[in-house]
Amino acid sequence: KQEVTQIPAALSVPEGENLVLNCSFTDSAIYNLQWFRQDPGKGLTSLLLIQSSQREQTSGRLNASLDKSSGRSTLYIAASQPGDSATYLCAVEYGNKLVFGAGTILRVKS
Amino acid sequence: DAGITQSPRYKITETGRQVTLMCHQTWSHSYMFWYRQDLGHGLRLIYYSAAADITDKGEVPDGYVVSRSKTENFPLTLESATRSQTSVYFCASSGLAGAPSSYEQYFGPGTRLTVT
Repeated sequence: KQEVTQIPAALSVPEGENLVLNCSFTDSAIYNLQWFRQDPGKGLTSLLLIQSSQREQTSGRLNASLDKSSGRSTLYIAASQPGDSATYLCAVEYGNKLVFGAGTILRVKS
Repeated sequence: DAGITQSPRYKITETGRQVTLMCHQTWSHSYMFWYRQDLGHGLRLIYYSAAADITDKGEVPDGYVVSRSKTENFPLTLESATRSQTSVYFCASSGLAGAPSSYEQYFGPGTRLTVT
């Protein structure tokens, strides 16, 4: 069964810290991996998409890496801000279907 | 405005009633998806569509019906609503006609459905 796991489930950090969110997946035959942000009561916002042939993608203070062989991805957030507080979801695409992790709830304290 | 919209945003219905959730996108994306999000289960795929008149089951299709007569619309119907279908439903779209996968999925704002 294709499963996606995110660690930690929740994280609380002071403003300004760099942090890493982890995502692991059981089936390495992926098309791509996508990181999303979800604010309470809202929809999902796409942050980064990494194609299966890529190793990393960057957007502003965000950097996502992908290691297919080990079934892992990390989302690195630099210089965290209170506005980064949200749930971060990792989703792996298998043949046009996304399998989601349960998410990491991030709180950045000012 | 361009994008992906869902209606209604909130819906309360009774057990046994039929209810249809609407999804509309203006990008001419070929792929459209329906997910449900529940505490303890995360987001799960209900149905998806690769193009008009082409639909396929996802992980949790039982009790749901979809259709896609036009590229831009992908309605989800609960034929006889049950309390277990109380959830937040998200529609998403991606891709260009004829292109392979590996395109970002863009999500609508969600519909919060309560079945009493």
